[in-house]
Amino acid sequence: KQEVTQIPAALSVPEGENLVLNCSFTDSAIYNLQWFRQDPGKGLTSLLLIQSSQREQTSGRLNASLDKSSGRSTLYIAASQPGDSATYLCAVKGIYNQGGKLIFGQGTELSVKP
Amino acid sequence: DTEVTQTPKHLVMGMTNKKSLKCEQHMGHRAMYWYKQKAKKPPELMFVYSYEKLSINESVPSRFSPECPNSSLLNLHLHALQPEDSALYLCASSQDHRAFTYEQYFGPGTRLTVT
Repeated sequence: KQEVTQIPAALSVPEGENLVLNCSFTDSAIYNLQWFRQDPGKGLTSLLLIQSSQREQTSGRLNASLDKSSGRSTLYIAASQPGDSATYLCAVKGIYNQGGKLIFGQGTELSVKP
Repeated sequence: DTEVTQTPKHLVMGMTNKKSLKCEQHMGHRAMYWYKQKAKKPPELMFVYSYEKLSINESVPSRFSPECPNSSLLNLHLHALQPEDSALYLCASSQDHRAFTYEQYFGPGTRLTVT
């Protein structure tokens, strides 16, 4: 059974710092991994999608990497800003999950202090 | 445009009421999803529609009844809910559920409170 873990559960950093969020999964048989951002009480915003054949994806100040063999992904945020404060969720689409449904981690709550 | 819209934004209903949540997308996606999210928890999949047919039901109680009238619309009919059903209900869509490589796009959610 696929399990997804995100560490740490919460993170507080000063503005301007570069930071890394971690996501690990137990079964490397995945189609892809998706990183989302969620503001309190709001929906999920898709940040980056990495296919199983890819090693990384970049969008602006965000860079996501994927090491399928070790079951790990990282989300790197450069030069963090207070507006980056949100909960970040990773989700994998497993090959052996029914219908390829997304399996989510518990999320990392990020606070960037001015 | 990668927008999924949901109405209403907030809904308060009694345990004997009948109400519906609505979701709409105009991206030409053929897969649509309902998720339930409790506070401080990740979303939990409820239903998947693929090409307007119910593809996955994650053993959801019958007091939740999904409907997909056409490829752009997804409804969730609610009847005789319990207070523990209070949550954020999220709709999502993707280009094709059967092609598992596609990205899912989420709507803003409906905050449901059952009194």
